[in-house]
This record gives sequence, structure tokens and C-alpha cells, in this order.
Amino acid sequence: ETGVTQSPTHLIKTRGQQVTLRCSSQSGHNTVSWYQQALGQGPQFIFQYYREEENGRGNFPPRFSGLQFPNYSSELNVNALELDDSALYLCASSLSGTGIYEQFFGPGTRLTVL
Amino acid sequence: EDQVTQSPEALRLQEGESSSLNCSYTVSGLRGLFWYRQDPGKGPEFLFTLYSAGEEKEKERLKATLTKKESFLHITAPKPEDSATYLCAVQANAGNMLTFGGGTRLMVKP
Repeated sequence: ETGVTQSPTHLIKTRGQQVTLRCSSQSGHNTVSWYQQALGQGPQFIFQYYREEENGRGNFPPRFSGLQFPNYSSELNVNALELDDSALYLCASSLSGTGIYEQFFGPGTRLTVL
Repeated sequence: EDQVTQSPEALRLQEGESSSLNCSYTVSGLRGLFWYRQDPGKGPEFLFTLYSAGEEKEKERLKATLTKKESFLHITAPKPEDSATYLCAVQANAGNMLTFGGGTRLMVKP
């Protein structure tokens, strides 16, 4: 059974640029959630995708957007990057977007904005 | 607004010295409380889910308990390999998101 994978591992961008991060969910999981984790803090929920539809969103501006594909993999897009966007971006997959299911995390993508 | 507070922020233990980590929460109807372990530069690793007050779960040297206002992660006779950040998160009835606390950084010295 393959776990959650994310790419790239590290990324360096400059302020104002756009970035796309990718996530492959664990086998059998149809729900993907994205979190932002600043250094020394707990993860913060960005949004969740369930069966290709957005299924909840945290307090993040519209320049954070996402997609989920028919194979349940997902992308996180961030436009007009700001210095404060520097963080570890985590993807988590779960069996379903309804009910209570454990979320299993990938290794993360470390984004640095200069 | 759902809130999760973890204490202490950091904890240094000697190998074999048992202790507890605290997670206090305020949530509009608790669906589940989750404990994760996170090693530096890696994603959180799932440990436990607790659903209702009075519930307990164990895994090796770790035991998680839940009351109506807080959860404890008890670590019995820790080893250096238990050194990590332990994260607590809640899922409320109103949504699917996890709300995390700031974590407790545990360091176990040999």
C-alpha cells in the first residue's frame, strides 16, 4: 500500500510568483486536505477536496486555490506569493470526506519565498 | 471558534522518566480528537483517535486519554527515539477540518 506522496520536496520562489504543489493520496482514499505549517507552529487547515469538489475551507485568501483529479490526486496553487507564505505545506488523505476518518499526512513540501 | 492549546511547549526528560502531555480544547461538539507525532522536517504520523470522554488508547509506551475538556498523552519509560513533536487536533461536528494545537516538543536524553 502506497502512502501519501508530495512533490516537490523543496521549492524556492520570489515574491509575486505563482506556485503549484502536488499530492497523491493513499490508495483507496477519495479525500485530500491541505494544511500550512509555519515553523514552530501546528498545521493550519487550508481546504479539503472530496470527490473533486471543495468540501470546506479555512481562513485563507482566494489566491490559495486547489484542484482534485478523478484519480483523487490534488494540486494546491498559490498566486502572488508573499513572504509569509514560506512554510511547510502538508497534504493529508482520508477514506472519505463525510464522517470521522483519520487523516494520513505526506512528507510535505517546504516552500521558501524570497 | 474551535481552539486547541497544548502544554508544555517543550519537555525534557531523562530516559525512563515517565510524564504526560496536555491538550485542552474548546470545540462546538467534538467528533474526534487526534494525536500525531511529527519528526523534524517530516509530515505528522497518526497515533490515536479518541471519540468520547473516558476513552483510552495505548500503543507501546504511549497512552492517550480523553475528558470533556482535555486529553492527555502519557509516556511511560520513554526512550530517546520517542523524541519528537506531539500534535493534538480536534474535528468538530460542524466540519471536516482538523484544528491543531501548537504541539509539545519532547526531548528524551539517554
